[in-house]
Amino acid sequence: RKEVEQDPGPFNVPEGATVAFNCTYSNSASQSFFWYRQDCRKEPKLLMSVYSSGNEDGRFTAQLNRASQYISLLIRDSKLSDSATYLCVVNIAGGYQKVTFGTGTKLQVIP
Amino acid sequence: DTAVSQTPKYLVTQMGNDKSIKCEQNLGHDTMYWYKQDSKKFLKIMFSYNNKELIINETVPNRFSPKSPDKAHLNLHINSLELGDSAVYFCASSQTGRGQYPPDTQYFGPGTRLTVL
Repeated sequence: RKEVEQDPGPFNVPEGATVAFNCTYSNSASQSFFWYRQDCRKEPKLLMSVYSSGNEDGRFTAQLNRASQYISLLIRDSKLSDSATYLCVVNIAGGYQKVTFGTGTKLQVIP
Repeated sequence: DTAVSQTPKYLVTQMGNDKSIKCEQNLGHDTMYWYKQDSKKFLKIMFSYNNKELIINETVPNRFSPKSPDKAHLNLHINSLELGDSAVYFCASSQTGRGQYPPDTQYFGPGTRLTVL
């Protein structure tokens, strides 16, 4: 089983739609969780950290389920500019962090 | 102001050559990283340095040798390049490098697209 797994997609959704991605992780000792966004031929950029209680940033909501070992990202009112690959990132606990990236979920928002 | 910069942006070279990629960050971070993103877009950590000290060294061929002259710079030298080395190499930095609260965000450079012919 991969350390961090994501559905590669692509998810093709119309503008204004709500879309959700899940990401599962295998190491129960994982402590920090993030969603990064990567545009085509660009570097990954932090979208948001994921906190235990769940957190929201505008149209984006992230949730963590430790019992089932998954995190989710919900995007409401999708915009064309949301089209990108969304990378799930998990940090293994203890000492210097070793983050593991998922392979990403590609989102295409269609006019 | 560019936070994390890499040079060169593109690198095309023949098999067997030796090449270097340079990275600099002006964020005052303590930790820097090298990642490889292959053709399937999988981003995998190669090395991590904290204050010039190697702290993460993943299973990477000995042909890859990182060097950190100071905490703002992390270079990657690759000997005897092979076809399979073709990828995008990203440098990144973070404040502490430790898994802690608040989470330690990584900032990536624009990447170096290496093509080995």
